[in-house]
Amino acid sequence: DIQMTQSPSSLSASVGDRVTITCRASQGISNYLAWYQQKPGKVPKLLIYAASTLQSGVPSRFSGSGSGTDFTLTISSLQPEDVATYYCQKYNSALSTFGQGTRLEIK
Amino acid sequence: QVQLVQSGAEVKKPGASVKVSCKASGYTFTSYGISWVRQAPGQGLEWMGWISAYNGNTNYAQKLQGRVTMTTDTSTSTAYMELRSLRSDDTAVYYCAREGVYDILTGYFYYYGMDVWGQGTTVTVSS
Repeated sequence: DIQMTQSPSSLSASVGDRVTITCRASQGISNYLAWYQQKPGKVPKLLIYAASTLQSGVPSRFSGSGSGTDFTLTISSLQPEDVATYYCQKYNSALSTFGQGTRLEIK
Repeated sequence: QVQLVQSGAEVKKPGASVKVSCKASGYTFTSYGISWVRQAPGQGLEWMGWISAYNGNTNYAQKLQGRVTMTTDTSTSTAYMELRSLRSDDTAVYYCAREGVYDILTGYFYYYGMDVWGQGTTVTVSS
């Protein structure tokens, strides 16, 4: 099975900071990667799919990059409403795995 | 609007089974797949499996093979997830999510992440 490892597990940043979360696959997965945001007590929300395509309605401060085994989610200017846990997900042929999550807090 | 509405909370005893439903509306049910994801208290997301609403094909997470069955009823646009031989560590919120678009021209599914989620169903396993 392909494993997905996110780093860091948690981070604290200030409003306006540029924030980067990484996700590494144990094998190459091309660009079959999605990112989700889950706010406390809420349902996960799709932010990015195909590693870098922004889901409709998602603010442009979110961006994704990467291919193969190494991927990043970047928030260009952190906002208070971005406090959440972020998950990467690899998907292909209807077999999925999530990363363990990255908890993002405001400093 | 496009939505998935799940059945209500369940409390089960160890060894019992649970069946959670997920009713789709606002889109052509058979043109998509449905994934099931669970989240234990304070833990991350765990993918459980996927079912094609087009033809009922399934893929299950290896750790749940033999205990989980996913089905669909196209007449009511509803997906179901049944989990058997429940244990305390099956206590979690269970989500359904739309994933995969069927292309009738190629006969393949194309994946763009889980774009629509149900509200979640809490399943508590306790003696």
